[in-house]
Amino acid sequence: GQNIDQPTEMTATEGAIVQINCTYQTSGFNGLFWYQQHAGEAPTFLSYNVLDGLEEKGRFSSFLSRSKGYSYLLLKELQMKDSASYLCAVDSGNTPLVFGKGTRLSVIA
Amino acid sequence: NAGVTQTPKFRILKIGQSMTLQCTQDMNHNYMYWYRQDPGMGLKLIYYSVGAGITDKGEVPNGYNVSRSTTEDFPLRLELAAPSQTSVYFCATSLGGQGLSPLHFGNGTRLTVT
Repeated sequence: GQNIDQPTEMTATEGAIVQINCTYQTSGFNGLFWYQQHAGEAPTFLSYNVLDGLEEKGRFSSFLSRSKGYSYLLLKELQMKDSASYLCAVDSGNTPLVFGKGTRLSVIA
Repeated sequence: NAGVTQTPKFRILKIGQSMTLQCTQDMNHNYMYWYRQDPGMGLKLIYYSVGAGITDKGEVPNGYNVSRSTTEDFPLRLELAAPSQTSVYFCATSLGGQGLSPLHFGNGTRLTVT
């Protein structure tokens, strides 16, 4: 079976750092995606992790531990425009992507 | 370069009516997908296609049908619409299998069945 867990909602302050966690249990694993989705819009690609460790892209970083079935998305220097849902999705290799329910992040002043 | 285009953007259907959600892409991607997204829920896969002439069921295919006669188009057909099909529908494409390239999404079709 496929199971992906993320917190439902998070709130953080402008300028701060926030970590959004994702744990997964899937029948196979090739890699893990993070997507950003602003309210009323389509998801857009943020990152893809295949190997263990941290991948940094500007203010956003994504971490993967394959042995622990765990990933997180780290957002630094939060801005109001970062208020969005963040979707974790697992590439299990045999089937199309399986998405978590998403974490709705609210950035407050 | 339009990317992935979905029509219509919004639609209200009565119970029992049918309709086709259109999806067309100009990126020459082989893989195409239909997802639905309900409030507070993630994306659930309805159907997908790995190339023209080939379609497969996803997690929630009941009540829907698809066809893929060309690389560019992947329409989703709703027969006998039901209130449970009220949702936002996203079409997406990818160049290769999931690990090879990310998904590119259309802007979605917001469907209400009353």
